[in-house]
Amino acid sequence: DAGITQSPRHKVTETGTPVTLRCHQTENHRYMYWYRQDPGHGLRLIHYSYGVKDTDKGEVSDGYSVSRSKTEDFLLTLESATSSQTSVYFCAISDPGQVNYEQYFGPGTRLTVT
Amino acid sequence: QKEVEQDPGPLSVPEGAIVSLNCTYSNSAFQYFMWYRQYSRKGPELLMYTYSSGNKEDGRFTAQVDKSSKYISLFIRDSQPSDSATYLCAGGGGSNYKLTFGKGTLLTVNP
Repeated sequence: DAGITQSPRHKVTETGTPVTLRCHQTENHRYMYWYRQDPGHGLRLIHYSYGVKDTDKGEVSDGYSVSRSKTEDFLLTLESATSSQTSVYFCAISDPGQVNYEQYFGPGTRLTVT
Repeated sequence: QKEVEQDPGPLSVPEGAIVSLNCTYSNSAFQYFMWYRQYSRKGPELLMYTYSSGNKEDGRFTAQVDKSSKYISLFIRDSQPSDSATYLCAGGGGSNYKLTFGKGTLLTVNP
């Protein structure tokens, strides 16, 4: 496996609470991505980063924010969690200079919002 | 219309069968095509990567891209129970290094 870890791996939280998910990589890849995966929708891009402090929105970014202060860490924050954000969240990394479009995924975080 | 369409299945085959998994895409800018395999409750793992049109073979797996018809295929020969997983196709192109994924096809290979 590529050196990608996600924390926590499982979380149950209540509606309205803030939640932060962490993605950590040891590959020194420039690009990092956050996806959510839901039945019937597949993998959908939430936000991505193309360098430290450089981020952009994906197709389902509403209700989510991200930050990247170091190459190795990419944080996803749900400011006020809602039940519709119950999902499995995956982080991925890529380095166009080395591997073009290939993305490598972390193990996922299973989030339940009650 | 979603940019990448994939039949979700499920697909069930006997061990040893040849499996054909297919996707279509609509974005003409796509030049990179990938197949990922995802076991239950795991992250997707990159299986095959193809640039532009043509075939690529790796052991029992062959990836095929036909840009003229915007069709992506993955063939699995001599399928094994360990191939049982969800298979995701993806396409990408341009300078943003984003991938668009199909919804995945659930494959079960029965012993």
